[in-house]
Amino acid sequence: SAVISQKPSRDICQRGTSLTIQCQVDSQVTMMFWYRQQPGQSLTLIATANQGSEATYESGFVIDKFPISRPNLTFSTLTVSNMSPEDSSIYLCSVAGGGKAGNTIYFGEGSWLTVV
Amino acid sequence: QKEVEQNSGPLSVPEGAIASLNCTYSDRGSQSFFWYRQYSGKSPELIMFIYSNGDKEDGRFTAQLNKASQYVSLLIRDSQPSDSATYLCAVNGGTYKYIFGTGTRLKVLA
Repeated sequence: SAVISQKPSRDICQRGTSLTIQCQVDSQVTMMFWYRQQPGQSLTLIATANQGSEATYESGFVIDKFPISRPNLTFSTLTVSNMSPEDSSIYLCSVAGGGKAGNTIYFGEGSWLTVV
Repeated sequence: QKEVEQNSGPLSVPEGAIASLNCTYSDRGSQSFFWYRQYSGKSPELIMFIYSNGDKEDGRFTAQLNKASQYVSLLIRDSQPSDSATYLCAVNGGTYKYIFGTGTRLKVLA
């Protein structure tokens, strides 16, 4: 499977500020995704990062709050805008790794954000 | 609303025993089923996937799928303290949209 690196790994952010999370993959991948895992909760898909076009957002997530870039097949960014304490979460970049199941996804190391 | 249900635990088993983790799902159209392990402070790591009814074995891990009853389980044989983690069940319907359960916390007691 691909090696997926995320930066920052952790950060403490001030309320009202924005933070951009970077995701770098060591090989070209077609499908990249951004997930959120709030404390004690399940993983929730925020959006699919599409190369060369706008991201596709899931219900409950909007571009103004979570703008995403995907400039090439190995890199993506997620920005968490105008943060509030409710945005304290783990943000995970993931890629589709193919495999026999076809839809297997793998996760990066995660970015732990705490908003104060 | 498509759902994946897991008992949050903790499930405590003694070292060397079999740990049995269960998951039920609501969408009958689900096609692929995954188990991820998540250590505290770490991101989820894929353990196994299964897409056909029956059992699939990989080392100490066995995934079991019963589509008629809409459940999938993970058995861990000869449990070790290093297996202590949260185990996430995930399903998808043939796309890349996964639905995750909230996970079962497993504690293996030395």
